[in-house]
Amino acid sequence: QKEVEQDPGPLSVPEGAIVSLNCTYSNSAFQYFMWYRQYSRKGPELLMYTYSSGNKEDGRFTAQVDKSSKYISLFIRDSQPSDSATYLCAMSETGGFKTIFGAGTRLFVKA
Amino acid sequence: EAQVTQNPRYLITVTGKKLTVTCSQNMNHEYMSWYRQDPGLGLRQIYYSMNVEVTDKGDVPEGYKVSRKEKRNFPLILESPSPNQTSLYFCASRSGTSKETQYFGPGTRLLVL
Repeated sequence: QKEVEQDPGPLSVPEGAIVSLNCTYSNSAFQYFMWYRQYSRKGPELLMYTYSSGNKEDGRFTAQVDKSSKYISLFIRDSQPSDSATYLCAMSETGGFKTIFGAGTRLFVKA
Repeated sequence: EAQVTQNPRYLITVTGKKLTVTCSQNMNHEYMSWYRQDPGLGLRQIYYSMNVEVTDKGDVPEGYKVSRKEKRNFPLILESPSPNQTSLYFCASRSGTSKETQYFGPGTRLLVL
């Protein structure tokens, strides 16, 4: 079993839809939870991060962490064609130097 | 401009021919890391470095070597490449105090024949 599981998609939605992306994990020591966005032929770029449990909002993006269920989510409101990319969840332990990534979910937002 | 650079961006080589992929960052970051990205497997960490002369293995270190002689550079060495090392490679860096914000390079696409 992988430490981090993420549905690879692809996920196709119409413009303006609310998108929900999710990851589950097995290591209860993870404390840092990140979401990266990766456009085709580019390196990943950090989109959101949260420490421990809770929600964090930044513009159209909301990150949620439920440590009791070992489940994290990224919501994108009013999705745009420019949001079309691969979204990778990532996690690390406090004081740790390793970051574990999910496989990434490919998202297509149709105009 | 803050950035992580990698060279070369594309490389085709043959089995057994030693190669080096360079990585450089201009942000004075302590921490640097190498990942490989394969379809369905996501990003997997190969090696990381906490500072100059301090390196450690990630999850998939077999067949790779690294060195950190200067803070800004972190080259990845494949002493005897094999076809199963065909992949997309990313270098990343972050400051020692910012555990979540890694900056990634543009990637190096390697094909080993």
